[in-house]
Amino acid sequence: EAQVTQNPRYLITVTGKKLTVTCSQNMNHEYMSWYRQDPGLGLRQIYYSMNVEVTDKGDVPEGYKVSRKEKRNFPLILESPSPNQTSLYFCASSPSINYGYTFGSGTRLTVV
Amino acid sequence: GENVEQHPSTLSVQEGDSAVIKCTYSDSASNYFPWYKQELGKRPQLIIDIRSNVGEKKDQRIAVTLNKTAKHFSLHITETQPEDSAVYFCAASYHKLSFGAGTTVTVRA
Repeated sequence: EAQVTQNPRYLITVTGKKLTVTCSQNMNHEYMSWYRQDPGLGLRQIYYSMNVEVTDKGDVPEGYKVSRKEKRNFPLILESPSPNQTSLYFCASSPSINYGYTFGSGTRLTVV
Repeated sequence: GENVEQHPSTLSVQEGDSAVIKCTYSDSASNYFPWYKQELGKRPQLIIDIRSNVGEKKDQRIAVTLNKTAKHFSLHITETQPEDSAVYFCAASYHKLSFGAGTTVTVRA
């Protein structure tokens, strides 16, 4: 089944404790992206990647890192999480930039 | 960067009536305009999209229109049903996909 898999689905952590949210797709998509969703703000792009080893900042990249060492994986790293990073995070992939996204199931992150 | 504005933020319609959601975008280079539906507790899912070389596209009860000159595009849902209740997001893309803030649609039975 074609899908984008995110893990974990839920995560509660403490301020400053490094964490990684994993994202993997099995559709051989070149384009992958991370979004955060907050009430009233819609989906805001954190980082995107147009191919292996090619990443770029989205609209809200501060406090986040990404890497794209393999085509299928695009992990999101929070080196020192803060409470304002409490949010619902979605990973998405598509064949290229201007095609429909397939979203993962989301990761609900709470930083206390 | 691209700025996408979406209106209204909430929309309540009687079952069987039509619903219209409007979006404007700022970057005239944007050439791809998808719409996503997000049901409560679920992931966004693509429902329809339109490219800049097309003015209108229809898929059953859903239609999108695009006015490149005015930089706005709209989603039309006809004969609304309870299962149309969800949050709808418009988006615009050139280098990257930027989303509107969303419209919560409630279909009253």
